[in-house]
Amino acid sequence: AQSVSQHNHHVILSEAASLELGCNYSYGGTVNLFWYVQYPGQHLQLLLKYFSGDPLVKGIKGFEAEFIKSKFSFNLRKPSVQWSDTAEYFCAVNVGTGANNLFFGTGTRLTVIP
Amino acid sequence: DTGVSQDPRHKITKRGQNVTFRCDPISEHNRLYWYRQTLGQGPEFLTYFQNEAQLEKSRLLSDRFSAERPKGSFSTLEIQRTEQGDSAMYLCASSLMGSSYNEQFFGPGTRLTVL
Repeated sequence: AQSVSQHNHHVILSEAASLELGCNYSYGGTVNLFWYVQYPGQHLQLLLKYFSGDPLVKGIKGFEAEFIKSKFSFNLRKPSVQWSDTAEYFCAVNVGTGANNLFFGTGTRLTVIP
Repeated sequence: DTGVSQDPRHKITKRGQNVTFRCDPISEHNRLYWYRQTLGQGPEFLTYFQNEAQLEKSRLLSDRFSAERPKGSFSTLEIQRTEQGDSAMYLCASSLMGSSYNEQFFGPGTRLTVL
């Protein structure tokens, strides 16, 4: 069965620190990869996505992610976090061509200390 | 606001009661999804509609759950004979078939508490 692993459950950083959140998936075929963010009290929003092409994708608010096919990974990065980045981050995978549902990881809660 | 809306935002019910949630997708979106999210977990897929047709259902969707999208616009999710294990956030998402990547836009969710 397909699965998505996010090994960091809670990350605490000071402002200006660099961020890397891990995401690994288990599926050998075609995948589309997403990172969603949920700010406190708000709904899920798309941060960035990968479908094909350049494995380094850039999203909103200075976030980027790198797809490494050989490692089945899609890690999220930001060079310098801000207090406003405090949120829950979810990695998600859409499996196969024309697939519909998303498989989500368990999420990583990021707390940024001012 | 032209995003996905869900009603109610919160529902408290007693075990054994039936509940119904509504989702209004983004107006031009023809795909609609229901997910369930429990504490400490990511959203889990329940079911998916393309227009009015329910095309996929997860094994998580027991016989007590039923979803409809009668006119291909809004959708309802009904849970019959609720159990405490049904307590969760129920999320609705919509997308536009034919968009290059089928991005799903999520609503704020309905939080269900079963006492």
